Amino acid sequence: QKEVEQDPGPLSVPEGAIVSLNCTYSNSAFQYFMWYRQYSRKGPELLMYTYSSGNKEDGRFTAQVDKSSKYISLFIRDSQPSDSATYLCAMSAGAQKLVFGQGTRLTINP
Amino acid sequence: DTAVSQTPKYLVTQMGNDKSIKCEQNLGHDTMYWYKQDSKKFLKIMFSYNNKELIINETVPNRFSPKSPDKAHLNLHINSLELGDSAVYFCASSQERLLAGVNEQFFGPGTRLTVL
Repeated sequence: QKEVEQDPGPLSVPEGAIVSLNCTYSNSAFQYFMWYRQYSRKGPELLMYTYSSGNKEDGRFTAQVDKSSKYISLFIRDSQPSDSATYLCAMSAGAQKLVFGQGTRLTINP
Repeated sequence: DTAVSQTPKYLVTQMGNDKSIKCEQNLGHDTMYWYKQDSKKFLKIMFSYNNKELIINETVPNRFSPKSPDKAHLNLHINSLELGDSAVYFCASSQERLLAGVNEQFFGPGTRLTVL
């Protein structure tokens, strides 16, 4: 079993839809939870991060962490074609090592 | 003014050859990394250096040898290339505790390695 599980998709939704992306994990030592966005043929870039449990909102993006269920989510409201990318969750126990999920490939159709 | 750069961007080579990938960051970060991303987009850490010192060395064949001449550079040398080495290799850098303990890593554009 991988430490971090993420459905690779692909996920295709119409423009304006609400998108929900999720990851589950098994290591209870993880405290930092991140979402990276990776456009085709580019390197990943940090989108949002959360420490421990709770919600965090940034514009159209909301990150949620439920440590009791070992489950994290990223919601995208009013999705745009420019949001089409692969979204990778990543987690850390506090040291430099990040453990990534497989990434979910998302397409927003105009 | 690229933050993390890698060369080459594409590398096509024959099995058994030896090749190197170079990485440079101009962010003033103290930690650099090498990741491998396979065809299924699974991104896995290989090595991490902090101030030129190896601190993370995952289960990677010893055909892979990182070298950090200074804290702005981290190169990856691969001996006796195999078909299974075909992947995209990403370099990244970070400054520890830049975001109150969160390890924001800045990634390079990747080197797409194809072994024939």
